[in-house]
Amino acid sequence: GESVGLHLPTLSVQEGDNSIINCAYSNSASDYFIWYKQESGKGPQFIIDIRSNMDKRQGQRVTVLLNKTVKHLSLQIAATQPGDSAVYFCAELNSNSGYALNFGKGTSLLVTP
Amino acid sequence: NAGVMQNPRHLVRRRGQEARLRCSPMKGHSHVYWYRQLPEEGLKFMVYLQKENIIDESGMPKERFSAEFPKEGPSILRIQQVVRGDSAAYFCASKQLTATWTQYFGPGTRLLVL
Repeated sequence: GESVGLHLPTLSVQEGDNSIINCAYSNSASDYFIWYKQESGKGPQFIIDIRSNMDKRQGQRVTVLLNKTVKHLSLQIAATQPGDSAVYFCAELNSNSGYALNFGKGTSLLVTP
Repeated sequence: NAGVMQNPRHLVRRRGQEARLRCSPMKGHSHVYWYRQLPEEGLKFMVYLQKENIIDESGMPKERFSAEFPKEGPSILRIQQVVRGDSAAYFCASKQLTATWTQYFGPGTRLLVL
C-alpha cells in the first residue's frame, strides 16, 4: 500500500553542523507535507509544511525541499543545536481524498557537543 | 493561548477495564483527530471528528473503540475491555475549519494495560 518512509532511522551530528533528514513517499497524489519534531514524552510539534506546488520553503533555521519527480522530501536544519535532538517525522496528506496525516516511522537526531 | 490539552497524561488499566481519554482542542479549532503511536513507530490515524459528527473513522478498530466530540466539552476516545495490545500513546490533534491542513498535537495520553 501507499506509505511514507524515512531513509535512516538515526542521525548523529555535531553541534553547529547542518543536519539533513530525508523522507520518501509513495503516494503521488499527496499534495501536502509536514515535518514534525517529537521530543521524548511529548506530542509532535509542528516545524514546517509545504504544498506540492512548491519545491522549497524556508523557516527559522529550517528548510524543507520537495522533489515530486522522485517523491522525496528533506528537512535541513542549519547550525544544529543540542535542543534539536529529537525524533523527526515527515507526514503527507492527499487533501482531495482524505483527512488523515500519514506518518513515517521517524528519524532520531542526536546532536553531540 | 493554550494548546491542545489532553488528560490524563498517563493511564494504567487492567485487562478488561475501560479507558477514557479526553482531548480539548485549541481555542477556535473545531476539528479533532485521534492518532495512536506504538513504541518506536510513527503515528497512525484513528478517527476524525467535528462537533457532534464523526467525519472519518476508517482507522478505528471495529470493536471496543469509540470516539465522540459533543457540542459542549472535550472529545472522548473510549476503549472498552482493554487488552495489552492497546498499550500505546494516544495523541489528539486539532485544526481550524478554514485554515491549512496543519494539525497541532497535544502532549498525548500514555496508556498502559497490565
